[in-house]
Amino acid sequence: AQKITQTQPGMFVQEKEAVTLDCTYDTSDPSYGLFWYKQPSSGEMIFLIYQGSYDQQNATEGRYSLNFQKARKSANLVISASQLGDSAMYFCAMREGLGGSNYKLTFGKGTLLTVNP
Amino acid sequence: DAGVIQSPRHEVTEMGQEVTLRCKPISGHDYLFWYRQTMMRGLELLIYFNNNVPIDDSGMPEDRFSAKMPNASFSTLKIQPSEPRDSAVYFCASSPPGQPPPYGYTFGSGTRLTVV
Repeated sequence: AQKITQTQPGMFVQEKEAVTLDCTYDTSDPSYGLFWYKQPSSGEMIFLIYQGSYDQQNATEGRYSLNFQKARKSANLVISASQLGDSAMYFCAMREGLGGSNYKLTFGKGTLLTVNP
Repeated sequence: DAGVIQSPRHEVTEMGQEVTLRCKPISGHDYLFWYRQTMMRGLELLIYFNNNVPIDDSGMPEDRFSAKMPNASFSTLKIQPSEPRDSAVYFCASSPPGQPPPYGYTFGSGTRLTVV
């Protein structure tokens, strides 16, 4: 079974609107972290936002927020007020065993977001 | 802070040749990761090091791949002999010790390898 599932290969959004990118995960570990990265066409991986499994509040970073629904094992990324520069590939990733020595990040397949003017 | 530095940015080589990719992690980061990105398989972890010691190499595809970290500021990923199916973008990332803060995983710009 895939550990990280991103069901939307591509998404379109109008500039200035909000968009939600879906991510579901699969783990039996009670301690884990969830990450979102942005990969623009230039290729670099840019960290956006992080949510720990024990965090009580949903993470927010500027226009980015993470809709964390633990019981549903979902960690959707919400981008508010989309900008043309948000057009990129977005990856959800997970690290299991936060209290231990596992530092491996497992990535989803990604969602290509296109922001239309 | 210069970030994680990878070289070269692009590499084109002929099948059968040896290829060496290089990475300089952020100073003070004692975890170093090598990832490979392809259209078919997405981002896969190949190997990671802690304090220059390989911890998990289960993602290394086969014996043609080898990685070393001779010191805290340098790592190499070598493919010998290279094959067309090795064509991919190879990312290096580093992380500081302890619980990683959200910014702990910093990626380099990647090396785009094309084997013809």
